Amino acid sequence: EVQLVESGGGLIQPGGSLRLSCAASGFSVSNTYMIWVRQAPAKGLECVSVLYRGGGAFYADSVKGRFIFSRDNSENTLYLQMNSLRAEDTAVYYCARAKEWDLGGSFYFDYWGQGTPVTVSS
Amino acid sequence: DIQLTQSPSSLSASVGDRVSITCRPSQTIGSYLNWYQQKPGKAPKLLIYGTSILQSGVPSRFSGSGSETDFTLAISSLQPDDFATYYCQQSYITPYTFGQGTKLEI
Repeated sequence: EVQLVESGGGLIQPGGSLRLSCAASGFSVSNTYMIWVRQAPAKGLECVSVLYRGGGAFYADSVKGRFIFSRDNSENTLYLQMNSLRAEDTAVYYCARAKEWDLGGSFYFDYWGQGTPVTVSS
Repeated sequence: DIQLTQSPSSLSASVGDRVSITCRPSQTIGSYLNWYQQKPGKAPKLLIYGTSILQSGVPSRFSGSGSETDFTLAISSLQPDDFATYYCQQSYITPYTFGQGTKLEI
C-alpha cells in the first residue's frame, strides 16, 4: 500500500529555517517524480517544488533560492529544506507522488500525505 | 504561468442533482487537465486525470470532458459525500498550477 507521511512542521520565526520530511512506503522514491504542494489558510493549492527522477528539481518563483527539495533513497524519504522563511510561507505542506502518463508527457498526483502545518510568525 | 479559472466559485445543490464545474486555462494545455476533491482538513484526492480518465476507485458519477482551453467536471446524482471543494490542475508545463477551487455546498 502506498503511503506518504509528512513531519517537521511547526512554528518558526521569520528568517528561520525548517526541514520537512516525507516518508514514503509502498513504492521507491528513487525512480519516481515527487512534488510538494502547499495551502495557505483558507486558500487554494500551490505547487512549490517538483523533484525529477534524475534528481533535478523545479521551484516556484515564490520559493526559488530559499527551498531545496531532496531525497534519501536509502531511507525512502523526501525532504524540503526551507530557509529564510517569510510570513507568506505559512501553509499546510503536502507531499504527493507525481504519476507519469501519456508516455511521460504529463503527470497527475495520485497519492498525498496528510500534510504538515508550517506557521511563520514572530 | 498558466492561470486556471474555475466557475462557479461556489455552488449550492441538493442530493440527487447533477452539477458541472468549468475550468478555463489561460492558454491551451491539450488534455493535460486533472481534477481533485478536497474536504476540510484533508489532503486533496485525485478524481480524474488526462481530462476524462477516472482514477481507480472513484465512482462513475464523476466524469470529465473538454480540451485545450475549456474543461468540465460533472457529477451526476450528487451524494452526501460529494459536498467538498473541487480543484482543477494543469500538468502541461511547470509550474503545475491549480484553479482557485469550487466549493460545492448543500
